[in-house]
Amino acid sequence: GAVVSQHPSWVICKSGTSVKIECRSLDFQATTMFWYRQFPKQSLMLMATSNEGSKATYEQGVEKDKFLINHASLTLSTLTVTSAHPEDSSFYICSAKEQVDTEAFFGQGTRLTVV
Amino acid sequence: GNSVTQMEGPVTLSEEAFLTINCTYTATGYPSLFWYVQYPGEGLQLLLKATKADDKGSNKGFEATYRKETTSFHLEKGSVQVSDSAVYFCALVGGTSGSRLTFGEGTQLTVNP
Repeated sequence: GAVVSQHPSWVICKSGTSVKIECRSLDFQATTMFWYRQFPKQSLMLMATSNEGSKATYEQGVEKDKFLINHASLTLSTLTVTSAHPEDSSFYICSAKEQVDTEAFFGQGTRLTVV
Repeated sequence: GNSVTQMEGPVTLSEEAFLTINCTYTATGYPSLFWYVQYPGEGLQLLLKATKADDKGSNKGFEATYRKETTSFHLEKGSVQVSDSAVYFCALVGGTSGSRLTFGEGTQLTVNP
């Protein structure tokens, strides 16, 4: 299957700093990318959907000014957690689709710890 | 809107036992159905899928049949291995959610030698 690479796989940062997570589709062009957050022993919670070249669509309750999403090219989307706090610590996962009706491929996830 | 309900876990089995993880869904129209597997500390991998009623998805000994009459997509494997220990997510796409995946809560499977 297609490959989606997420980087970094883990990051530790201090409270108040910003962290950027990258999601790349390596062998296909992703018209749509999704960002999820996963708490321990829970399912994935969709945070936002991004389409290349347009603004991301955020799910209800997700602060768009805190979780900045950029999808500037067909192979790269970034999630920036701004002014991170300990409660932002979580596992963040991206996925990418080539077309609306094709299957989604997932990155390996990023473990964010804010201290 | 769409929803997916999975059998509650955790599920603990001995090696070579038979596995069933139940999954039922609610959706309008004709969604596509998926099973994903998540190993510790990793993202999700697609295990199998079915795109229309009566389709059977299969991979690595796992199977699931799209049953529209019972709105179900139960995951089965005849003989589990220790390496199958992971979290399994049932998901659908389509209906009112468009291209977004709707996930079940996940079922933790532990297989003991």
